[in-house]
Parts: sequence; structure tokens; C-alpha cells
Amino acid sequence: DIRMTQSPSTLSASVGDRVTITCRASQSVSNWLAWYQQKPGEAPKLLIYEASNLKSEVPSRFSGSGSGTEFTLTISGLQPDDFATYYCQQYNSYSPPCTFGQGTKLEIK
Amino acid sequence: QVQLVQSGAEVKKPGSSVRVSCKAFGGTFSSYSISWVRQAPGQGPEWMGRIIPLLDISNYAQKFQGRVTITADKSTTTAYMALSSLRSEDTAVYYCAAQYCSGVNCPNYFDHWGQGTLVTVSS
Repeated sequence: DIRMTQSPSTLSASVGDRVTITCRASQSVSNWLAWYQQKPGEAPKLLIYEASNLKSEVPSRFSGSGSGTEFTLTISGLQPDDFATYYCQQYNSYSPPCTFGQGTKLEIK
Repeated sequence: QVQLVQSGAEVKKPGSSVRVSCKAFGGTFSSYSISWVRQAPGQGPEWMGRIIPLLDISNYAQKFQGRVTITADKSTTTAYMALSSLRSEDTAVYYCAAQYCSGVNCPNYFDHWGQGTLVTVSS
């Protein structure tokens, strides 16, 4: 299975900051990479798919980039609602399986 | 937009089985793939398998092969996940997750999620 490694595991930031989370794949996944936000007690919510496509209704302060084995999620101008845990997921286009990263917890500084 | 509603929490003994249901409201059931993803306490999500109801085809993660069965009833727009030979490590929140398919092409990321079902395995 393809292993996904996120860094950092925890990130402390303030409202208004610009933050970047990195996700590395153990082998190339092309651009088949999604990002999710999860808050305690809730299901994950899709933010970005195909590495850089923003899901409709997701604020434009979220952006994704990368291809191959290295990807980033950037949040520009943190809002209080953004403090949560973020996961990357590789999904190999239309075929299973898929794997998730271990998560990055974004905390208020 | 499809909405997914899952069955309630379960407490099971080691060695037993559990079945969790996921009913879809809205959308067209056969236009979606339904995956099951679990999340142990403090861990990242883990994909278990999926079904494409249109084709009645299921795929499973190698880790769960032989222990998990995913089915779908198109007449009731409900998907099911059954997991057998339960052990304490199976204690987790189990989610169903749906993704719109373009014909028979179903991207394996997840736009719609159920609320989660806590399965606790304890003697």
C-alpha cells in the first residue's frame, strides 16, 4: 500500500496567519490527492480533490498544490473555524484502495 | 445531494460480528459508490472497502479481506458493512462515505459522509 506522511503532526498558529501542511507519498500518486478537515465528533469534510481542485462552497482561503509525491495544503488568513485536524488521502484515480495520512492538528497559538 | 444516515452505536464481544447500515436520502442511489472508512481513537481514517450499487461490485482493502462484507439494497437505498471475528483493535467509529460516479467511473475520494457509528469491542 502507498504510505502517506504528513508534516507537521501539530501546528500552532494565530487567526490571520498563513499556514502550510505537507503530505508526502511513498510513491507517485500523480495528482490523485484529496484534503479533508475534521473537527472533534464530526465526520471528515472534503476540501480539495485532484490535488488543487477546491470543492464548491469551500472558502477560497484554502488551496492545494503538488503532484507526484509531494503536496501542500495552504490556508491563507486563518479563521477561528479553521482550527481542526487535516488529513490528506491518495486515491489512485477511480480504483481502490486508498490511504490517508496520519493527520495534522491545527491549534490556536 | 445525497445524505447518509447510519445505524446506532454497538457494543460487541470479541469473536462476534457486527453489521452497520447506511441509508441514503436524496440523490440517486445507483449514481454513487459507497465506501466504509473507520477511525480508531486518535488515529487517521482507514479505508475498508466499497461497493458500486449500479454494478453490484465490491472491493475490499487487503487488510480486511475475508472479514468484511459490504452489500447494498437498491430497493431501500441502504448499504451495509458486516465485520466478523471482532477483536479489541476493531473498536472505532465506522463511517459510510459516498462519491458521485460518472457512469461506471467512481473517484475514490469522498464528498458525502454519514454521521459515524461507534463500535466498541470489549469482553
